[in-house]
Amino acid sequence: DADVTQTPRNRITKTGKRIMLECSQTKGHDRMYWYRQDPGLGLRLIYYSFDVKDINKGEISDGYSVSRQAQAKFSLSLESAIPNQTALYFCATSGSNAEQYFGPGTRLTVT
Amino acid sequence: ILNVEQSPQSLHVQEGDSTNFTCSFPSSNFYALHWYRWETAKSPEALFVMTLNGDEKKKGRISATLNTKEGYSYLYIKGSQPEDSATYLCASQAAGNKLTFGGGTRVLVKP
Repeated sequence: DADVTQTPRNRITKTGKRIMLECSQTKGHDRMYWYRQDPGLGLRLIYYSFDVKDINKGEISDGYSVSRQAQAKFSLSLESAIPNQTALYFCATSGSNAEQYFGPGTRLTVT
Repeated sequence: ILNVEQSPQSLHVQEGDSTNFTCSFPSSNFYALHWYRWETAKSPEALFVMTLNGDEKKKGRISATLNTKEGYSYLYIKGSQPEDSATYLCASQAAGNKLTFGGGTRVLVKP
């Protein structure tokens, strides 16, 4: 079984809709991250969490929110989706050395 | 250098040839440099984490060097094989566990 899982894997939604992406991990890591990937831009950090209830903004947090209610789960929400949020979203976890373990990704399309 | 930059963005390599590419990063407040290998339709996977100036790491035919004084790292692939085709991402880690990723170098090895 995968250590880091994401649901859904693919999602098409309309502008203005609220959508939540879920991430679960079995690695026992305290640290979890949400990134988005756009062609030619690498991975950009949206939010990160170093412990339950700990929430920190990344470089592109506008338009997103997160929730960390349990060590193993970190969810990302788009309150009102817009087309430029169409991207590939990755969840990741890390231990103390910051080496990232990535989930399989969620491809989100906002029409 | 304010951001993490990788060059070239893409390169084509003939099978059996060796190649290398660069990651440039801010040398101030540096803690560690990460390399990840990202195959199409898969998740990025960690290759190396390097912290000390002059560090060299090797995994099979892939190796990396680190110069923290001038803020660059090289990744080398010796005797490229088609299975080496992937996007190689570097990420700079400042104090704390946040990573800043470069845009990646996409490597295509031609049989």
